[in-house]
Amino acid sequence: QVQLVQSGAEVKKPGASVKVSCKASGYTFTDYFIHWVRQAPGQGLEGMGWLNPNSGDTAYAQKFRGRVTMTRDTSISTAYMDLSGLTSDDTAVYYCARQGARTDDLRGMDVWGQGTTVTVSS
Amino acid sequence: DIVMTQSPDSLAVSLGERATINCKSSQSVLYTSNNKNYLAWYQQKPGQPPKLLIYWASTRESGVPDRFSGSGSGTNFTLTISSLQAEDVAVYYCQQYYYARTFGQGTKVEV
Repeated sequence: QVQLVQSGAEVKKPGASVKVSCKASGYTFTDYFIHWVRQAPGQGLEGMGWLNPNSGDTAYAQKFRGRVTMTRDTSISTAYMDLSGLTSDDTAVYYCARQGARTDDLRGMDVWGQGTTVTVSS
Repeated sequence: DIVMTQSPDSLAVSLGERATINCKSSQSVLYTSNNKNYLAWYQQKPGQPPKLLIYWASTRESGVPDRFSGSGSGTNFTLTISSLQAEDVAVYYCQQYYYARTFGQGTKVEV
């Protein structure tokens, strides 16, 4: 079945970096963009940006530019999100989700990973 | 950025009654090339990732019960649950994907 499986929970110290992976299966990895969305405890959803697995092109939300890097390894159908300069405000659940790549036929984010909890604490 | 504003923030509805959630975007999300509104609705239950309910403002995702419906165009949108079931207790988010991706703040639906 179509699924996105994320890496496990992380605990990091302030100033460190975290890299979360998102492995796709059940569909052609390069046919769908991969989005990253985070959710702080008790808060709403916040889009961080997306990756085109076919070209490697990325688009980052302004809030995260300079701190986030999204990459992929097409040989293993896996996307990565690297966030640097962590502070306690980055404590959140991080989700990957797929969305179609055709601008003239864009639908919603129809498949989501299970989420990765990142805790930033000294 | 396009700002999405939902109302109300929370909503208490009796089982079997109608629930209505509104979502307003700070600019139009109508993609004129295909006349589709790039607006989606998601349902999120505690401890779970969001689930896509509706895209193009009014098209139900496969498998979503028909008690969920979406309407609206341009900048004003509505999600309606026609007859609330116990399993519909959740937080609902609208999202625009016309330019970048932004979510509303969420509406908590309770019984």
